[in-house]
Amino acid sequence: GAVVSQHPSWVICKSGTSVKIECRSLDFQATTMFWYRQFPKQSLMLMATSNEGSKATYEQGVEKDKFLINHASLTLSTLTVTSAHPEDSSFYICSAPLTLGYGYTFGSGTRLTVV
Amino acid sequence: AQSVTQLGSHVSVSEGALVLLRCNYSSSVPPYLFWYVQYPNQGLQLLLKYTSAATLVKGINGFEAEFKKSETSFHLTKPSAHMSDAAEYFCAVSESRDDKIIFGKGTRLHILP
Repeated sequence: GAVVSQHPSWVICKSGTSVKIECRSLDFQATTMFWYRQFPKQSLMLMATSNEGSKATYEQGVEKDKFLINHASLTLSTLTVTSAHPEDSSFYICSAPLTLGYGYTFGSGTRLTVV
Repeated sequence: AQSVTQLGSHVSVSEGALVLLRCNYSSSVPPYLFWYVQYPNQGLQLLLKYTSAATLVKGINGFEAEFKKSETSFHLTKPSAHMSDAAEYFCAVSESRDDKIIFGKGTRLHILP
């Protein structure tokens, strides 16, 4: 149980285009979703926290207009990378707190390559 | 704000030897601590977690970790390394049930034949 399905698993896009990444909670309601970014051979850096029905909270240094987060329902949170550039190429992972027990469930990640 | 420090970005051990990956945390409240493993191009897999119950936590694949408040540490150990243990390991901390989870920089474990 407590599965977060993340899509796509990988995407290649051209510079200047936008890419949307979806995270769906399959068997529970995710009122909160955390979005992380991971550069090659580095750790996961928290980008933002989204809460259903309200604006996302972004970490310092993360561009709100660049990384649009929407959490319109209890089962879907999306991250849109707008006007993507090669430096946005990274591994993006979403995570939600478990509703039973303590811990977190993670999506399988999205490898974004901007060419 | 909470944080974790992982000592050693790379650790190499021989197959069959003891694995010890170090993690120290900083938290203003009693923390919740986690160890995750990540294989190349994959997501995160939870190895174990500390949530204020027993200080010695046993996880999957023979790993365990001990919470030591006096040392603010949560080191990960495994008595005998296996080749399949080669991966990236992350220590992480959060301060409440629904709070964000903060990761350490990771330690890449290399297993020598």
